[in-house]
Parts: sequence; C-alpha cells; structure tokens
Amino acid sequence: QKEVEQNSGPLSVPEGAIASLNCTYSDRGSQSFFWYRQYSGKSPELIMFIYSNGDKEDGRFTAQLNKASQYVSLLIRDSQPSDSATYLCAVKSSGANNLFFGTGTRLTVIP
Amino acid sequence: NAGVMQNPRHLVRRRGQEARLRCSPMKGHSHVYWYRQLPEEGLKFMVYLQKENIIDESGMPKERFSAEFPKEGPSILRIQQVVRGDSAAYFCASSPLRGGTNEQFFGPGTRLTVL
Repeated sequence: QKEVEQNSGPLSVPEGAIASLNCTYSDRGSQSFFWYRQYSGKSPELIMFIYSNGDKEDGRFTAQLNKASQYVSLLIRDSQPSDSATYLCAVKSSGANNLFFGTGTRLTVIP
Repeated sequence: NAGVMQNPRHLVRRRGQEARLRCSPMKGHSHVYWYRQLPEEGLKFMVYLQKENIIDESGMPKERFSAEFPKEGPSILRIQQVVRGDSAAYFCASSPLRGGTNEQFFGPGTRLTVL
C-alpha cells in the first residue's frame, strides 16, 4: 500500500510569515511529487511539482525534496490570507498511472 | 484555452437510481483520470482511461461502477443503483502524456448527493 502522510493541521500562521507544510511517502520508487491547493468546496489546483532532490522555487513558493528521507515540503513565504486553504501532497510512483494523495494540511493565515 | 470541464456540477439522486458524470479533458490532453473525495478525506484514484481504452481501473469498486472514454465525446463515470455511501465529490483530471508523467489538471468536480 503506497501511503502519503501529511499533518492534518490546522496550521495557523500570521500574515507575512513563512508557512511550512510537510509530507512523507512510503514508496521509495516514487519519482514525481506535486503540491495542490484546494479551497473549501473547490477542486485541487496545481501549485508546484518537483522531480529532483533539492529546492525548486516559484514566486513565493518553494518545494523541497529529499528522496533519501522520503520527504517533501512546501514553503510559502510572505503568507497572505488568500493562501488559507487545504494543501494536498501527491506522489506518483514509477510505472504508476495515478497520483497518491495525502489527506491534506489545512492552513489558516491570520491577518 | 478551456480547462477540464465536468458536468453536472451538482447531482442529486435517490437510492437505487443511476448517476452519470461527464468529463471533457483539456484541449490536447488524451489521458483522463477519475478520483473520488469523500468528506474530510483525501482524493482516491478510481480509474485511468485513454480514448476507447481503460488503462487502469484498480481503484474502481468491483460492482456498480463503470467508466468509458469513447472516441467521440466526454469520458463518463457511471454509477448504477447508487447508495448513500456514494455521496462524494468526483473529480476528473487530465494530462497530456502517458501515465501522467506530466502534471494532472483537475476539473471543478461533480458533487453527488444520494438521498
């Protein structure tokens, strides 16, 4: 059973702070990692994906991947109230067709 | 450039009825995935299809559920004889390359309520 684990939260940070979201996965064969944002009652929206160890930055978002530790994280700098949402970590294993999702971390950015 | 389209957005059915959910992938995408999200739970994979082919249905319940992606028209997820436990949000995603090597983009979902 391939598993993706996330802390369900809720995680609260003040506006302007850095929000750190974490995810671990069980399948060492996993190759692609995705972060989705989901507002309440809406569909998942892709924020970032990462394939290689290290950091990948896109605007206020940074994804970090450590395959040896089977760990992927998402940092949100200068957090805004509009960042308040559930963040889903998703993993694609080598040879798999689908994504395995964590249950998500609910983030609240306090004005 | 239209995104993934799903309809209906909301569907109400009584127990025992049939539910048909439709999904049109993004332009240029030929791979469709269906996921189900139960309240307060994560997204669970159901089925992966290409035009006229079911590639992976390992996440589909063995009974009452079926999916197709015909040569012409949208992909359809069909649930026969719905039960209350089928109430959930059903999301369709599409990707341009085989196996979702590229990222998957989600449609707005169909929220099914079974009375």
